[in-house]
Amino acid sequence: DAGVIQSPRHEVTEMGQEVTLRCKPISGHNSLFWYRQTMMRGLELLIYFNNNVPIDDSGMPEDRFSAKMPNASFSTLKIQPSEPRDSAVYFCASSSGRALGGELFFGEGSRLTVL
Amino acid sequence: AQTVTQSQPEMSVQEAETVTLSCTYDTSENNYYLFWYKQPPSRQMILVIRQEAYKQQNATENRFSVNFQKAAKSFSLKISDSQLGDTAMYFCAFVLGGADGLTFGKGTHLIIQP
Repeated sequence: DAGVIQSPRHEVTEMGQEVTLRCKPISGHNSLFWYRQTMMRGLELLIYFNNNVPIDDSGMPEDRFSAKMPNASFSTLKIQPSEPRDSAVYFCASSSGRALGGELFFGEGSRLTVL
Repeated sequence: AQTVTQSQPEMSVQEAETVTLSCTYDTSENNYYLFWYKQPPSRQMILVIRQEAYKQQNATENRFSVNFQKAAKSFSLKISDSQLGDTAMYFCAFVLGGADGLTFGKGTHLIIQP
């Protein structure tokens, strides 16, 4: 079975540009999470979806960040305009939900560098 | 809000030794789950072990075991017969039962020396 698939694996962009990160969760999983990892702040939950519906976006840093999940097999995290402080590794994770006690399955992450 | 604390930013041991990584958490709830995730240099987050708070027995997965002390809110990871491939960042994580989204500690960088 394929795991969580993220793209791109690496992205280098200039300040002010729009960045779109993509995620395909594991088939059958009904929860999807976006995390950001930095040295200073560790792993932070940005937003999560249950059955394609955003449940909690309190971790989204500001209005420049937005996330969508148009169907059960695809989600995007968009940053517009990007800033150097957005440089981080962004992880997508999926889960079967509470039945398994919340175990998350992670993608390989997208490393974003904003110059 | 729940918090997870890992007090050891970095640890280094010799191959074949046993090492224990510490983790404490703070919650007023009784129903929750605890996890240890491993992040090798490849960046992939890999589940190492899981513990249900309602279970008194400590979870074990091959060379990995936990010491779960519910009253002390402590959840340490013991790695026996450490191997070079165990070199990685290790994250302790917590989730309330019925909730979604794990809360992670800041991680411990474990280095296994040959």
